[in-house]
Amino acid sequence: GDSVTQMEGPVTLSEEAFLTINCTYTATGYPSLFWYVQYPGEGLQLLLKATKADDKGSNKGFEATYRKETTSFHLEKGSVQVSDSAVYFCALSDIQGAQKLVFGQGTRLTINP
Amino acid sequence: GAVVSQHPSWVICKSGTSVKIECRSLDFQATTMFWYRQFPKQSLMLMATSNEGSKATYEQGVEKDKFLINHASLTLSTLTVTSAHPEDSSFYICSASNWFSGRNNEQFFGPGTRLTVL
Repeated sequence: GDSVTQMEGPVTLSEEAFLTINCTYTATGYPSLFWYVQYPGEGLQLLLKATKADDKGSNKGFEATYRKETTSFHLEKGSVQVSDSAVYFCALSDIQGAQKLVFGQGTRLTINP
Repeated sequence: GAVVSQHPSWVICKSGTSVKIECRSLDFQATTMFWYRQFPKQSLMLMATSNEGSKATYEQGVEKDKFLINHASLTLSTLTVTSAHPEDSSFYICSASNWFSGRNNEQFFGPGTRLTVL
C-alpha cells in the first residue's frame, strides 16, 4: 500500500539556520503530497501542498517540490525562526475515492534563539 | 481556515468502561469526518471515514464494534471506545472536510484527545 517515510527527529537548529526535512513516498498512481504542521496544543494545519509532478508548494517561507523521479517531497526553509518550532508531517492522498491521507511519522523541530 | 474542536482534550478511564469523544466543526458543515489514532512518536493512522448520515467505513484491522462512530449531523461526529483496555490508550484525532466547499476536500484537524485507560 501507499506509504510515507520522513526524516527521523528530533531536529534542533539555531535561529536563521537552513532547514531540510526529508520525505519520500511510495504510491500507486499519482498522489497529491502535503506538509502539515502541528504547533503545541493545536491541531494539524496544512502548510503546503502539491498535486502533480514538478509542482512547488510554498507558504510562510517553506517550500517543497514534488519530485516524481525520486518520489520525494522534501521540506525546506532558508532561515528558520523560533516560532517554526513544531511537529511537521509529510502526507499523501490518492486522488480517487475518499481522499484518505497517509502520514509519515512526523518530525519534531526545535529552533533555539 | 476552518475550526474543528474535540472534547474532551484528555480523559482517563478505568479498564472496561466506555469513553465518548466528540468532534465538532465550528464554522462549516462537515460532509465527511475522519478519525485517526496516533501512538507516541508514530504516524497518524486512519481508523475510519464517516459521511454525514451514513455508516462509517473502517480501515482494515480496526474493530467496528469496539470503535463506534456516529456522524449524525453536519457539525458533529462522535467516537466511542467501548470496553476500553490499556492497549486502547492513545491520542485520537479527528478531521473534517466538505466535499462541496471548492477547497479540494482539504481536511481540517481537531487538536486531539489523549485517552489513558488504567
